[in-house]
Amino acid sequence: EAGVAQSPRYKIIEKRQSVAFWCNPISGHATLYWYQQILGQGPKLLIQFQNNGVVDDSQLPKDRFSAERLKGVDSTLKIQPAKLEDSAVYLCASSLHAGASSGANVLTFGAGSRLTVL
Amino acid sequence: DAKTTQPPSMDCAEGRAANLPCNHSTISGNEYVYWYRQIHSQGPQYIIHGLKNNETNEMASLIITEDRKSSTLILPHATLRDTAVYYCIVRVARGNKLVFGAGTILRVKS
Repeated sequence: EAGVAQSPRYKIIEKRQSVAFWCNPISGHATLYWYQQILGQGPKLLIQFQNNGVVDDSQLPKDRFSAERLKGVDSTLKIQPAKLEDSAVYLCASSLHAGASSGANVLTFGAGSRLTVL
Repeated sequence: DAKTTQPPSMDCAEGRAANLPCNHSTISGNEYVYWYRQIHSQGPQYIIHGLKNNETNEMASLIITEDRKSSTLILPHATLRDTAVYYCIVRVARGNKLVFGAGTILRVKS
């Protein structure tokens, strides 16, 4: 099966500019996640969608970050305005569903979008 | 969410077994242990998961202690391509949220 697609792979912007990242999950996967990974750290969950509804956005800096998944498939993550500390890799992941069954809930990650804010 | 503790780094000789430990002393009865790894410039990759019993697949084996407070990921014959950061994660069954720690950097050396 095709994997999780993300674009762009690399983006360099000045601080206070805006940027958007796109993610296409694995076909049929109801749950979609955006993670932020700062150099040298593990990924941090920003937001989790179940179909087109938000399940968890407790760690999303809502004053500058926004995300949507309008039709329950593709998703975009936007940063406006960007700060220097937003320099990171933004990872998208998807899973079949967020139910209680163990076997079906493996997350598949994309390669990530690397953002550099100057 | 239960926290995990892993050593920051480990070395392993090529062809030998790599044993990566993880402590999760606050784990609850319905929480699963997952292992992912991240090779440089790639997204994390699923390896294996378990609840109570030991598990084995084509990539690795997972040994969970009887009290479930710790586990060990075993790569039976490590290769240079296994050099990566390995994350041990305790996942709450409800919500399917993965909370990553800093992981263990495994360096496989020839």
